Amino acid sequence: AQSVAQPEDQVNVAEGNPLTVKCTYSVSGNPYLFWYVQYPNRGLQFLLKYITGDNLVKGSYGFEAEFNKSQTSFHLKKPSALVSDSALYFCAVRDLTGGGNKLTFGTGTQLKVEL
Amino acid sequence: NAGVMQNPRHLVRRRGQEARLRCSPMKGHSHVYWYRQLPEEGLKFMVYLQKENIIDESGMPKERFSAEFPKEGPSILRIQQVVRGDSAAYFCASSPPDGYGYTFGSGTRLTVV
Repeated sequence: AQSVAQPEDQVNVAEGNPLTVKCTYSVSGNPYLFWYVQYPNRGLQFLLKYITGDNLVKGSYGFEAEFNKSQTSFHLKKPSALVSDSALYFCAVRDLTGGGNKLTFGTGTQLKVEL
Repeated sequence: NAGVMQNPRHLVRRRGQEARLRCSPMKGHSHVYWYRQLPEEGLKFMVYLQKENIIDESGMPKERFSAEFPKEGPSILRIQQVVRGDSAAYFCASSPPDGYGYTFGSGTRLTVV
């Protein structure tokens, strides 16, 4: 079965500093990986995805993610954090088992950016 | 181009009542997915539907839960005889047939009292 793991429940970073939110994956076949962000009482907003190609994927709001096949990781990064980046971040992997196109999500990482 | 529309945004039901959650996919999207987010947890897949067909319901509880996506109208997630443990946020997503452009709605927050 496809799965992703987010080892950190919470990440704290000062505004202006770089941020990293970690994700590792376990898949059979080629991984299709995603990052989503959820603000309080809101739905999920798509940030970026990796399907194939360059290992560095650029997404919305200045976020990027690095796909590392040898480490089975897909960490989310941003060079300079903003207070408005504070939210819940989910890593997900596409799962085609059962004839479907579902996403399997990690447990989420709460990002807190402080002044 | 409206996104995925879910209603109601908030729903309060007493134990034993029925909850009906609606989802209208994005224009041009023929595939609908339902997910549940329990408090302090990530999203869990429930069911994947195409028009008039359930493709994958491997995440649906065996009893009280059902879903449909009729030829006309929105997709409906129905929960019969709700219990406190059903309190959660229920999200719908839609995609075109190729599975890319997966878009989520804002969710329905169900509270069972």
